[in-house]
Amino acid sequence: DQQVKQNSPSLSVQEGRISILNCDYTNSMFDYFLWYKKYPAEGPTFLISISSIKDKNEDGRFTVFLNKSAKHLSLHIVPSQPGDSAVYFCAASATGYGGSQGNLIFGKGTKLSVKP
Amino acid sequence: KAGVTQTPRYLIKTRGQQVTLSCSPISGHRSVSWYQQTPGQGLQFLFEYFSETQRNKGNFPGRFSGRQFSNSRSEMNVSTLELGDSALYLCASSLVPGGSYNSPLHFGNGTRLTVT
Repeated sequence: DQQVKQNSPSLSVQEGRISILNCDYTNSMFDYFLWYKKYPAEGPTFLISISSIKDKNEDGRFTVFLNKSAKHLSLHIVPSQPGDSAVYFCAASATGYGGSQGNLIFGKGTKLSVKP
Repeated sequence: KAGVTQTPRYLIKTRGQQVTLSCSPISGHRSVSWYQQTPGQGLQFLFEYFSETQRNKGNFPGRFSGRQFSNSRSEMNVSTLELGDSALYLCASSLVPGGSYNSPLHFGNGTRLTVT
């Protein structure tokens, strides 16, 4: 049972245009969401996060939107650059009893290709 | 500040053998998590250690085990290796258990294990 789903295995975008990566989740207890970027032969690197009390978080060219009613979040990259070509993972976590954070649950990733 | 260091980077083992992977977290980070990445399954949570105690465990067989030392360094061990254990094993560290909005997981570059 996949709690975090990235339904698009791949996405191709022209340089300078917007890239939109989508992620759906099923567990309504998730209260903390992150996006990681992964290049081949490297570990995932943290990109941006959002708490469930917000619906938008922005960091430079990267914006994450959260729609709690739809259990959906998306990552927007504007403008897209060739160096953004990588696999993007969506992840989610729930705060447990006593405030302890649960482990991160990852989606299977979306491979973004930005063409010059 | 040095990042998360995993050794070795590559490992080739034969079915039935056992293997030990090592992870040194970022200085000051007391939480270490381990993930398995395979092409079809994405990143799957193995276990997490905080202050030498296993805090969470994923849905993996008992052949997968780990431990954490007093200096926060961690090792994971896989016994009686199977062909399906071939994967990239990623270690991540954070300041607080499970990471948080202000202290996300930081990943190492992983150990690529091939079982023949």
